[in-house]
Amino acid sequence: EAGVVQSPRYKIIEKKQPVAFWCNPISGHNTLYWYLQNLGQGPELLIRYENEEAVDDSQLPKDRFSAERLKGVDSTLKIQPAELGDSAVYLCASSLDSDIQYFGAGTRLSVL
Amino acid sequence: GDSVTQMEGPVTLSEEAFLTINCTYTATGYPSLFWYVQYPGEGLQLLLKATKADDKGSNKGFEATYRKETTSFHLEKGSVQVSDSAVYFCALGDSGGGADGLTFGKGTHLIIQP
Repeated sequence: EAGVVQSPRYKIIEKKQPVAFWCNPISGHNTLYWYLQNLGQGPELLIRYENEEAVDDSQLPKDRFSAERLKGVDSTLKIQPAELGDSAVYLCASSLDSDIQYFGAGTRLSVL
Repeated sequence: GDSVTQMEGPVTLSEEAFLTINCTYTATGYPSLFWYVQYPGEGLQLLLKATKADDKGSNKGFEATYRKETTSFHLEKGSVQVSDSAVYFCALGDSGGGADGLTFGKGTHLIIQP
């Protein structure tokens, strides 16, 4: 069974440019999470979806970040415009009926 | 709010040494507790979990006991191997098992030397 797939693995952009990350959760998993992991820190939750509904986006900086999960499967996280401080690893995780979370390998973003 | 504190790294040990990585937490209610491991270039993987006080989680020779009285969930292994080298994260979730999202510690980088 395929795990959580994220793409791209690495992304380098200049500040003020837009960027998007994609996540394909494990088949059948209804809950999807996006986390932000800064260097030397643990992951921090950005947003949680139950199917296609964002049930917790309280930690998502909505002035520049947006996310969607169309049809309750794949999800996209977008930053527009990116700032230097957004350089980090963006992790996606999924779970079935809110059980164990399975994580993707992450997208490492560098903003120059 | 909820928080997790784990020992600073890196922790360097020789093969076959005994391992302890300390983890304490602050939370309301009765959280579930987890240890995740991240090998180089890979995503976080669940190592073990405990959902109520005095539960012991175990996997791959690692174990941790949920101690409510000391709000701790220390990770232990009796004899480490080079292949255990990784970053270990302690995390807590809601009493339902982490459905609302996990709160992680900063991670402890473990280096095992042959």
